[in-house]
Amino acid sequence: SYELTQPPSVSVSPGQTARITCSGDALPKQYAYWHQQKPGQAPVVVIYKDSERPSGIPERFSGSSSGTTVTLTISGVQAEDEADYYCQSSDSSGSYVVFGGGTKLTVL
Amino acid sequence: QVQLVESGGGVVQPGGSLRLSCAASGFRFSSYVMHWVRQAPGKGLEWVAFIRYDGSKTYYGDSVKGRFTISRDNSKNTLYLQMNSLRVEDTAVYYCAKDLDTGFDYWGQGTLVTVSS
Repeated sequence: SYELTQPPSVSVSPGQTARITCSGDALPKQYAYWHQQKPGQAPVVVIYKDSERPSGIPERFSGSSSGTTVTLTISGVQAEDEADYYCQSSDSSGSYVVFGGGTKLTVL
Repeated sequence: QVQLVESGGGVVQPGGSLRLSCAASGFRFSSYVMHWVRQAPGKGLEWVAFIRYDGSKTYYGDSVKGRFTISRDNSKNTLYLQMNSLRVEDTAVYYCAKDLDTGFDYWGQGTLVTVSS
């Protein structure tokens, strides 16, 4: 079955830039989404359709795509950005949805 | 604004059944694909199933195929998940989510299902 691969953890100091990657063979054909989840809370979409930012999401969150890899970039990381981040997409047919394993972002 | 409110979670014995509901408001429910996603304690997100806007087609994750059934009632703006032959490993928070081009743009707050003897 189709898989998306993310690093388990990323650590950055406040004010630095965090980059979280997600790799999958169908990513050139299907949109990627990024979901932020803080402890005890439901996920929240922070990037949709590879690079679009929902209203209410800070401008420091951005997304990009290159071949089979998509990247979530958080510029000027703040303490409140500490969370688990999941990439999500679908297989090439669009009939099977997958999540990456999640990346724990730690703000040092 | 968009609201998704899940209900129906609880404790059930292995082999038992449970039906979850998701009440939707704030958008034209009958026009959108809808999903169920779950998260086992301390684990990552796992997609469970989705249903087309008119209920004509359904799709399932490998771990629930043949045991779970997703359905919807567009007249009641409600999404359902019928869960049969439940296993201990089905213990999770179950979320409903609104679709946006095979992704999600809104999530509910979730309902906890515990499968235990």
